[in-house]
Amino acid sequence: GIQVEQSPPDLILQEGANSTLRCNFSDSVNNLQWFHQNPWGQLINLFYIPSGTKQNGRLSATTVATERYSLLYISSSQTTDSGVYFCAVDGGFKTIFGAGTRLFVKA
Amino acid sequence: DAGITQSPRHKVTETGTPVTLRCHQTENHRYMYWYRQDPGHGLRLIHYSYGVKDTDKGEVSDGYSVSRSKTEDFLLTLESATSSQTSVYFCAISESSGTSGSGNTQYFGPGTRLTVL
Repeated sequence: GIQVEQSPPDLILQEGANSTLRCNFSDSVNNLQWFHQNPWGQLINLFYIPSGTKQNGRLSATTVATERYSLLYISSSQTTDSGVYFCAVDGGFKTIFGAGTRLFVKA
Repeated sequence: DAGITQSPRHKVTETGTPVTLRCHQTENHRYMYWYRQDPGHGLRLIHYSYGVKDTDKGEVSDGYSVSRSKTEDFLLTLESATSSQTSVYFCAISESSGTSGSGNTQYFGPGTRLTVL
């Protein structure tokens, strides 16, 4: 099956700093999504991005499908950005999640 | 926010007892999913449904069964709970799946924390 690897596994930032999270996947995929799980456990969909670039406020994402990776950019980080960021891809009808990047933003 | 609720939100049960978790949606989405989340494993798909009475297995389906008799409800049953099924269970929905398109965006419920003693 498709393998999804995320890096780094853990990240600590000072408030205001920028960061880049990476997601590599082992095979062609139809879909790719980025999720944020906040410290209370709620999962929020950030981007549906099988290819190209999208932006939403301080967050943006780029997927290069031909090279099998996606990047999530967080600019001017805030403490509310803390949590775990997951990348998920579709292999057919089944969604495979990466293990996530745990982000802590210090005030 | 998508209208997805899960019940119960917390449950403690004993090994060998049956347990049913419920997912209810108000979005009329065709696809529904059950995931479990464990430390070190991220989220793993247990079962999914692509319509009423249409279900299929995911990555970790052993020990679980599902049913979908109505569009809005997707039930996950542990016939005889084991300690290895202690986990947080998430339900998700999407308009479409498999092919490309933003309808594949998945929206998650709040989760159910299950402890099997």
